Amino acid sequence: DQQVKQNSPSLSVQEGRISILNCDYTNSMFDYFLWYKKYPAEGPTFLISISSIKDKNEDGRFTVFLNKSAKHLSLHIVPSQPGDSAVYFCAASGAGGSYIPTFGRGTSLIVHP
Amino acid sequence: EAGVAQSPRYKIIEKRQSVAFWCNPISGHATLYWYQQILGQGPKLLIQFQNNGVVDDSQLPKDRFSAERLKGVDSTLKIQPAKLEDSAVYLCASSPRDTPVGTEAFFGQGTRLTVV
Repeated sequence: DQQVKQNSPSLSVQEGRISILNCDYTNSMFDYFLWYKKYPAEGPTFLISISSIKDKNEDGRFTVFLNKSAKHLSLHIVPSQPGDSAVYFCAASGAGGSYIPTFGRGTSLIVHP
Repeated sequence: EAGVAQSPRYKIIEKRQSVAFWCNPISGHATLYWYQQILGQGPKLLIQFQNNGVVDDSQLPKDRFSAERLKGVDSTLKIQPAKLEDSAVYLCASSPRDTPVGTEAFFGQGTRLTVV
């Protein structure tokens, strides 16, 4: 039973446009959410996070939005760049007092020049 | 600052054979994690160490997997005997202390295991 779901396995966007990656979760006890970025043959790299007490967190071109009532979060990348092409993992933690994150399956983003 | 080092990068073994992976975390990082990432899935935690003690190994298949972190620095993960379904990338990560895995967790490049 997947508690963190990324239903789009891939996303293709034109350079300069907005990329929106979506993530849904089922466990209402999660209170900390993270996005990781992974290039081929490399380990995941932390990108941005958000606590459940917030509904938005912004870092440069990256913004994460959290909708707790819908158990949904999204990552916006504006403007998208070819170097953003990677697999993006959504993760959630805090359920049952554990901060070990539960990861989604990932979304492969391709940004075309 | 050197990152998390893992070896080997790739390993191909036959089922029922044994295999071991090595991880050297970032210097001074007290917490070390081993993750398993099966193709098409997200990383799944296998075991978490705090210094040389095990914090969480609830998802480690203990009948065939074992891990140790002697002296609280390097760690090894062993599979004996391997099964076909163990084919995955094994990721090691470290963080300075036991905090939510986020900004302070750094991943190695991983070891890709193929069991044939």
